[in-house]
Amino acid sequence: DAGVTQSPTHLIKTRGQQVTLRCSPKSGHDTVSWYQQALGQGPQFIFQYYEEEERQRGNFPDRFSGHQFPNYSSELNVNALLLGDSALYLCASSLVGGRGSPLHFGNGTRLTVT
Amino acid sequence: GNSVTQMEGPVTLSEEAFLTINCTYTATGYPSLFWYVQYPGEGLQLLLKATKADDKGSNKGFEATYRKETTSFHLEKGSVQVSDSAVYFCAPYNNAGNMLTFGGGTRLMVKP
Repeated sequence: DAGVTQSPTHLIKTRGQQVTLRCSPKSGHDTVSWYQQALGQGPQFIFQYYEEEERQRGNFPDRFSGHQFPNYSSELNVNALLLGDSALYLCASSLVGGRGSPLHFGNGTRLTVT
Repeated sequence: GNSVTQMEGPVTLSEEAFLTINCTYTATGYPSLFWYVQYPGEGLQLLLKATKADDKGSNKGFEATYRKETTSFHLEKGSVQVSDSAVYFCAPYNNAGNMLTFGGGTRLMVKP
């Protein structure tokens, strides 16, 4: 049973460019959340997708957008990249509404903006 | 919203020492509580969880008890190993929104 998979594992972009990160959830999960983890810090919630719609959003600008596909996989898009967007981007999947149902995380995509 | 306060690290211990990592939280409603662990270069792995007051979560020798009266969920292990060296995150879980709130994490370093 495959867990959460993310691609690519590493990415280097230049300021002003756009990037797309991809995530496939754990089998049987229907909800995908994205987190940003800056070096030495805890993950910060970006947004969550369920039934192909953005369900919740953290305190991130509109440059961060996402999408969920009918097969529950998801993309995170970041436009007009800034140096401060350099971070580990984590995808997590879960089942909606499950009290105590944990989020399962992928190994992340390391984004470096130069 | 939820928030978490964890003891700052790094926590440096010798092998077989006793470990405590303190965690207190503020939350709306009645959250579930989780500890996640992150090994170098990896994502987060669920370590243990508790879903209601006085529940004790346990896994791999680690334990934490849900203390609603003190809003705490301290992580303990009786005898740490070098392989336990990692960053540990306490996280309340917003059941209404399937959302975890993380603190800054506590880095544990175990020396042989």
